[in-house]
Amino acid sequence: DTAVSQTPKYLVTQMGNDKSIKCEQNLGHDTMYWYKQDSKKFLKIMFSYNNKELIINETVPNRFSPKSPDKAHLNLHINSLELGDSAVYFCASSQGEGSRYGYTFGSGTRLTVV
Amino acid sequence: AQSVTQLGSHVSVSEGALVLLRCNYSSSVPPYLFWYVQYPNQGLQLLLKYTTGATLVKGINGFEAEFKKSETSFHLTKPSAHMSDAAEYFCAVSDRVSFQKLVFGTGTRLLVSP
Repeated sequence: DTAVSQTPKYLVTQMGNDKSIKCEQNLGHDTMYWYKQDSKKFLKIMFSYNNKELIINETVPNRFSPKSPDKAHLNLHINSLELGDSAVYFCASSQGEGSRYGYTFGSGTRLTVV
Repeated sequence: AQSVTQLGSHVSVSEGALVLLRCNYSSSVPPYLFWYVQYPNQGLQLLLKYTTGATLVKGINGFEAEFKKSETSFHLTKPSAHMSDAAEYFCAVSDRVSFQKLVFGTGTRLLVSP
């Protein structure tokens, strides 16, 4: 039973399209995150939600919009996709202070924009 | 702001040899420190973490790391490498400004030869 699951695992789409990535965790954690991993493997936080409330919003284009319908789900919608959005997107969750206890990561969604 | 430097983007060892992956951090306050491992096409898995207390922490798969405040280091070691250890390893430090955020290093790829 997967703790943090993301769908889809792979996503290939054309520039200008709109796409969504879904994330669900069954750990009972109250905080969820989106991280972007670029082609050089660098990981950068994008967003964080705690109990459906947005608590971290890094410098991310407003084409990216997270939505958390409940504390077990955090989805990422991307409008007007650009070539530079190609990356692996990781969802993660933590209980309480993520920076004290660490995160549990999903297996990632590889987005390729052509 | 906190930051992490991982020395060496690639480290090569022979099976059975000592593994040493270096991590130095920058933090104005006592940090929380983490090591994660990423196998190909998978998410990140927590290896070990230091928050408070004993400075030598043991993790999964025989790995351990030592927090050295005077050297601002948190190097990861394993006495004897196994082929299955080949992966990407990430050091991370907590962002104590935002308790939810981890800041990751750029990663070190461990290559293990027979």
